[in-house]
Amino acid sequence: DSGVTQTPKHLITATGQRVTLRCSPRSGDLSVYWYQQSLDQGLQFLIQYYNGEERAKGNILERFSAQQFPDLHSELNLSSLELGDSALYFCASSVNPLQGAILNGYTFGSGTRLTVV
Amino acid sequence: QQPVQSPQAVILREGEDAVINCSSSKALYSVHWYRQKHGEAPVFLMILLKGGEQKGHEKISASFNEKKQQSSLYLTASQLSYSGTYFCGTEDPGGSNSGYALNFGKGTSLLVTP
Repeated sequence: DSGVTQTPKHLITATGQRVTLRCSPRSGDLSVYWYQQSLDQGLQFLIQYYNGEERAKGNILERFSAQQFPDLHSELNLSSLELGDSALYFCASSVNPLQGAILNGYTFGSGTRLTVV
Repeated sequence: QQPVQSPQAVILREGEDAVINCSSSKALYSVHWYRQKHGEAPVFLMILLKGGEQKGHEKISASFNEKKQQSSLYLTASQLSYSGTYFCGTEDPGGSNSGYALNFGKGTSLLVTP
């Protein structure tokens, strides 16, 4: 157990639907990152939150959104789902990154496997 | 910007050595290395900050040449447990935000056989 909890582990849904993925960071970590992993693209950065505020955005589609709550858990919302959205979605957390380097690395959750049919 | 890893895949016999390279077209602040076993989450191995330092983790070490914007991961006397996909993650300074999120390469698949 890495300390980062992601739910659900598996999700199967139809095209056009909306889903919410949830992540609880490791205790003490203020920063949460969302990544999408597909076979041909590797780990693609989506978005980062730090202490409730959005800090960085990557290749996140407009159909996707996220937020981080006061208790530091984060949710990734995926809407108008398409077949191409099928992937493994990872959440990772880290200690305060504001000093300019993420000295302790990311701790990843076990991921949510999303299948859109 | 996504760093480029090479090779894409490596097959080794137990005890052999391997080198995995990671390069970027942008100046780098740091380089991270992670290993992901099939069906599992990536696990942090080490971080290298600019300054050309080297680090080690078991029989795995890495170097970071900031001038060349490259990092290399060295696996010596490989063990069966080293099998997995290795990712480098790069953090570049001067971005439009201070998020310091990592951009990962596509990964290098390593298989160690008996």
